This record gives sequence, structure tokens and C-alpha cells, in this order.
Amino acid sequence: AQKVIQVWSTTSRQEGEKLTLDCSYKTSQVLYHLFWYKHLLSGEMVLLIRQMPSTIAIERSGRYSVVFQKSRKSISLVISTLQPDDSGKYFCALWELRNNNNAPRFGAGTKLTVKP
Amino acid sequence: EAAVTQSPRSKVAVTGGKVTLSCHQTNNHDYMYWYRQDTGHGLRLIHYSYVADSTEKGDIPDGYKASRPSQENFSLILELASLSQTAVYFCASRGGSGNTLYFGEGSRLIVV
Repeated sequence: AQKVIQVWSTTSRQEGEKLTLDCSYKTSQVLYHLFWYKHLLSGEMVLLIRQMPSTIAIERSGRYSVVFQKSRKSISLVISTLQPDDSGKYFCALWELRNNNNAPRFGAGTKLTVKP
Repeated sequence: EAAVTQSPRSKVAVTGGKVTLSCHQTNNHDYMYWYRQDTGHGLRLIHYSYVADSTEKGDIPDGYKASRPSQENFSLILELASLSQTAVYFCASRGGSGNTLYFGEGSRLIVV
């Protein structure tokens, strides 16, 4: 069963707008981390934000932020003042921390196009 | 600077042939992962390893083998490549503060 759900597969916005990308997850674990990544055309996966349930640890700040609703098991990525360079594919990931049997699970990704 | 490099970056293989995708990390990380990316499925975990000479099955291990001969190297092996294994494959390593993942640039495999 899919553990991480990103509803939008593609979306398009105008430069200067604000965007919220939604992500929901399923877990029965107490200890877990959540991540948002951007997949660049070069193939590199860039970590944007890391969220632990109890704190906010931001790897990249600036125009990126999250709305985290733990009770709803939802974490949204907010990008303010969109720029054409924000175009790309964004992945949400869940990491359940349980002994050595753990690895991040990813959503299907959302492809964003920002028009000038 | 943490680095994960994959080879080959692109490959065309024939059905039934053997394919080996290699991953090398200079991060001194214990954990390494192989994912495949398909349209509509995102990144799916194939195999992972948390120590040299040991590998673990992920969510979709069928048709794949993995090898971790050293801390730095982690290979994904397709003994009998099939059309359904056409995808982009990503390797990643884990370590550092906060367990950040470091991804390679991906290996595009086309099976014909």
C-alpha cells in the first residue's frame, strides 16, 4: 500500500504566485521523519526541508516552508513568490525509524511548471 | 562535499541480458539505497544496505539482486533484464546530522 500520497501529478503556476503542494502519509510508528525533495534536470535530488514530528529542522529556508498537521498526517510544502527556476519535480518522503529496517518511502511526485 | 556517483548514466540493454548498475559514495555513510523511478509511481525502494557484505530487500526486490562489497560501493544487478525494468534508477546514501539522504544523478536504463 502506498505510504506517501501526493495527489497532484502535475501543476502549473505563474511567476510570483504562491504554491502549496500537498502530501499525506500513513504510519503507525512514533518515530519518523518527513522530507521534501526537488528533483533537478541533472538528476540530482535536492533536499528542501526535513521535518521531525516534534520540531522543525529546515535544510533550506528562504522561500520554502511547510505546513505540518501531525494529527492529520499531512505535510504541505509552500513555495512563496514562484520563479521559473522552481520548475521541476517535487517529492515528499516518509522515513519510519525502526531499528535497522528502515528506508525512506517516496510519493509519486508533483511536476511543477512556473510560467514567466 | 558529500558525493554519490552512479554508472552508467544511461544504458540500453537487450531482454534477457545481464545489467549491473554501480554506485559509489565518498561520504563514509553506512546506509545505501537503490530506488527506481517510473511515471506515476514515484521512487520505489528495491534494495538497501546498512553495512558492507549485507543487503536487505526493499518493497520491489523481484528481478533484482544487490551487492555491497565495501562501504563505498553498492551495485544493483539485473540477471535477466526484462522490458518492465525500463526505468530511471537512483542510488542514495545516508549519514550526517539528521540522516540526510544524498542521491546520485540517476541511471537511465532502457530494455529492448
